[in-house]
Amino acid sequence: KQEVTQIPAALSVPEGENLVLNCSFTDSAIYNLQWFRQDPGKGLTSLLLIQSSQREQTSGRLNASLDKSSGRSTLYIAASQPGDSATYLCAVRKSGGGADGLTFGKGTHLIIQP
Amino acid sequence: DGGITQSPKYLFRKEGQNVTLSCEQNLNHDAMYWYRQDPGQGLRLIYYSQIVNDFQKGDIAEGYSVSREKKESFPLTVTSAQKNPTAFYLCASSMDGLYGYTFGSGTRLTVV
Repeated sequence: KQEVTQIPAALSVPEGENLVLNCSFTDSAIYNLQWFRQDPGKGLTSLLLIQSSQREQTSGRLNASLDKSSGRSTLYIAASQPGDSATYLCAVRKSGGGADGLTFGKGTHLIIQP
Repeated sequence: DGGITQSPKYLFRKEGQNVTLSCEQNLNHDAMYWYRQDPGQGLRLIYYSQIVNDFQKGDIAEGYSVSREKKESFPLTVTSAQKNPTAFYLCASSMDGLYGYTFGSGTRLTVV
């Protein structure tokens, strides 16, 4: 059974720092990996989607990488801002098609200090 | 704008009651999903549906039921058999894996 782990569970840094959030998964047979952001009491907002054949995706100050063979992904946030404070979730979809949902990590709770 | 609408935002259930959470999407997505989120835990899959009139149990389906009579709608009923229903419920949809998943804003269910 696929397991997804996110490290660290919580992170607090001063504004302006670059930071890296980590995600690891136990079964490398994935179809894709998706990073989400969740604000308190809200739904999930998709940040980046990386297909299994891709190595990285970029959107603005965000860059996500994928190393499928080692079962790892990182989310890099450049020049962090207080508005980046949220919980970041990593989720993988297994390969083989079908529509049986994503497996999620427990998230990294990020606080950016002004 | 296309998206997923969940209602209500907050729901209170008395002991022994069945309650239904609504999920509607106008994205023309084939697949829809229900997840449950509890503090300190990841999201867990309750039910999913790939096409109209078909749905499959996820990891924690006991005490829940769903229907998929229309492509746009995937309501979730929390039955009295669900012993610990207090949680945040999230509905999602996808066209296929290539485009990822879109989530609604969630329903917070509390037992009173």
